[in-house]
Amino acid sequence: GQQLNQSPQSMFIQEGEDVSMNCTSSSIFNTWLWYKQDPGEGPVLLIALYKAGELTSNGRLTAQFGITRKDSFLNISASIPSDVGIYFCAGSSGGYQKVTFGIGTKLQVIP
Amino acid sequence: GAVVSQHPSRVICKSGTSVKIECRSLDFQATTMFWYRQFPKQSLMLMATSNEGSKATYEQGVEKDKFLINHASLTLSTLTVTSAHPEDSSFYICSARDRGRYEQYFGPGTRLTVT
Repeated sequence: GQQLNQSPQSMFIQEGEDVSMNCTSSSIFNTWLWYKQDPGEGPVLLIALYKAGELTSNGRLTAQFGITRKDSFLNISASIPSDVGIYFCAGSSGGYQKVTFGIGTKLQVIP
Repeated sequence: GAVVSQHPSRVICKSGTSVKIECRSLDFQATTMFWYRQFPKQSLMLMATSNEGSKATYEQGVEKDKFLINHASLTLSTLTVTSAHPEDSSFYICSARDRGRYEQYFGPGTRLTVT
């Protein structure tokens, strides 16, 4: 089955710093999604990517769909305390196919 | 837009009883809904996919007779955990996909504790 490797698994950063996390897949994906999950809550969709090479921003967040279709990254600029949470990448091989989730990146921001 | 609700948010039940969890799409029609299970500090594990008006498709290793899924309308899917046991205690999250779109939108989750 499809496997997603997400890294880093956790990170501590100072408020104001930029953050980068990425996901790689063992197979080609046609859709990449990035979610954020707060404790005890469901994941919230941050960015959706549909084309290889696509670069999309949502406020301070920027995500890219890798050219090889096997990877994606998420950048957060000028981190703030409310960025704390777990970030999941998710991918699917086809538009209406089920998605596979990465293991998550736990982000902690030090004020 | 794209709001998904779940009810209840928390439930405690005794071993051997059944629990029903509801998932509703509030402002869109969800032709497909997904049910996930999440253990502490772990990722989301897909349990089943349900399409409105048809039987759910279960992932390998998920007992369909234990986790009954019904998707009777375009805005409601239910997950019933039958004869619950302590090992069924977990965080259950549903997601819904709008007709014609690829993104999944998640509900807030239901914390099930079986004593």
